[in-house]
Amino acid sequence: DAKTTQPNSMESNEEEPVHLPCNHSTISGTDYIHWYRQLPSQGPEYVIHGLTSNVNNRMASLAIAEDRKSSTLILHRATLRDAAVYYCILSGGSNYKLTFGKGTLLTVNP
Amino acid sequence: EAGVTQFPSHSVIEKGQTVTLRCDPISGHDNLYWYRRVMGKEIKFLLHFVKESKQDESGMPNNRFLAERTGGTYSTLKVQPAELEDSGVYFCASSQRLGLGVNYGYTFGSGTRLTVV
Repeated sequence: DAKTTQPNSMESNEEEPVHLPCNHSTISGTDYIHWYRQLPSQGPEYVIHGLTSNVNNRMASLAIAEDRKSSTLILHRATLRDAAVYYCILSGGSNYKLTFGKGTLLTVNP
Repeated sequence: EAGVTQFPSHSVIEKGQTVTLRCDPISGHDNLYWYRRVMGKEIKFLLHFVKESKQDESGMPNNRFLAERTGGTYSTLKVQPAELEDSGVYFCASSQRLGLGVNYGYTFGSGTRLTVV
């Protein structure tokens, strides 16, 4: 499985934007970039995914570098409920498994 | 729509006993997956069902673990006999279609926290 690299932790203030980076220099042409998050005592939750173009949904935006070797998850206005571990995962094609790394622990300060 | 339901939410058993975890996927989701996180480690894939068939069980740690999905609806994961290292959180997830390159992701349950003492 292609690997991703994320910072261990990040901190943000409430109502400010948060940019969570992910490096995936060995990404293949068929790999989608997925983001999941895990809130305390809950299962992972799907956030967003994309292939080449930037993506927006009600939860977040995903900005993908032109060479696809990195991406950034953008939370436009962080809330306390966004405090979670965020996972950047590569998968796609016939590879249906999610390979979780350590993720980024996001702390949101009031 | 109802989400993925897992029960029990917590289970404490003695080493050597048997435990059965249950997962009810979202109705209509043919694909069902089991994952687990053991203490201090990352979440790991265990196996994947497509309807009632095991598509991939490469992540199952050993033959003490048995997963079933009779009728292609709910699934059970039985651990027999349980060992101390089986302690962790077991997650179930479901999706409508094989593969992740579509406009939705997996839906996970809240997990079953298993403690073997």
